Amino acid sequence: NAGVMQNPRHLVRRRGQEARLRCSPMKGHSHVYWYRQLPEEGLKFMVYLQKENIIDESGMPKERFSAEFPKEGPSILRIQQVVRGDSAAYFCASSPEAGNTEAFFGQGTRLTVV
Amino acid sequence: SQQGEEDPQALSIQEGENATMNCSYKTSINNLQWYRQNSGRGLVHLILIRSNEREKHSGRLRVTLDTSKKSSSLLITASRAADTASYFCATAFTGGGNKLTFGTGTQLKVEL
Repeated sequence: NAGVMQNPRHLVRRRGQEARLRCSPMKGHSHVYWYRQLPEEGLKFMVYLQKENIIDESGMPKERFSAEFPKEGPSILRIQQVVRGDSAAYFCASSPEAGNTEAFFGQGTRLTVV
Repeated sequence: SQQGEEDPQALSIQEGENATMNCSYKTSINNLQWYRQNSGRGLVHLILIRSNEREKHSGRLRVTLDTSKKSSSLLITASRAADTASYFCATAFTGGGNKLTFGTGTQLKVEL
């Protein structure tokens, strides 16, 4: 049973380009969470999705950021018109249930905006 | 201010010693989880302790939870150089599902 898979592991984008980060949850997990980690800081919640639905996007910036988790395929975090401040590690986590269980994290995607 | 504050921010000990890290939080929680992160890597889940539990063990790890003080501690016994990493507590607050609020972490360095 593979763990949470994120790709790419490293992504370099020029300012103004789009970044697409992918996350395949663990088998049997239908709840996906995205977090962002700035250097030397803890993780900050961005968005929580369950198949085809956004449950909580309270941590997501209002502009340029969007997330989806389609019926088939991985969850996608999309950042349009990236800026230097978007440079960070983006982690995805998945869980089998909505509450009170462990969340398992992927290895993260390190986005660098040049 | 941020929920889930770890203390100390950094800790340096000798191999074989015990390491204790503390975490405080502000709101009512369903559970509290501890994670380890090696430099530049992903997070490894260590222990989940639910709000109705007071203590949990896993190998050399011991976690306590005091909901009256809104605090938790992680004890690593007989530390090894391989335990060198950042340790984060994360809280799942009541009504928030599995959405986690992370602290800023404790950087543990275990020296030979």
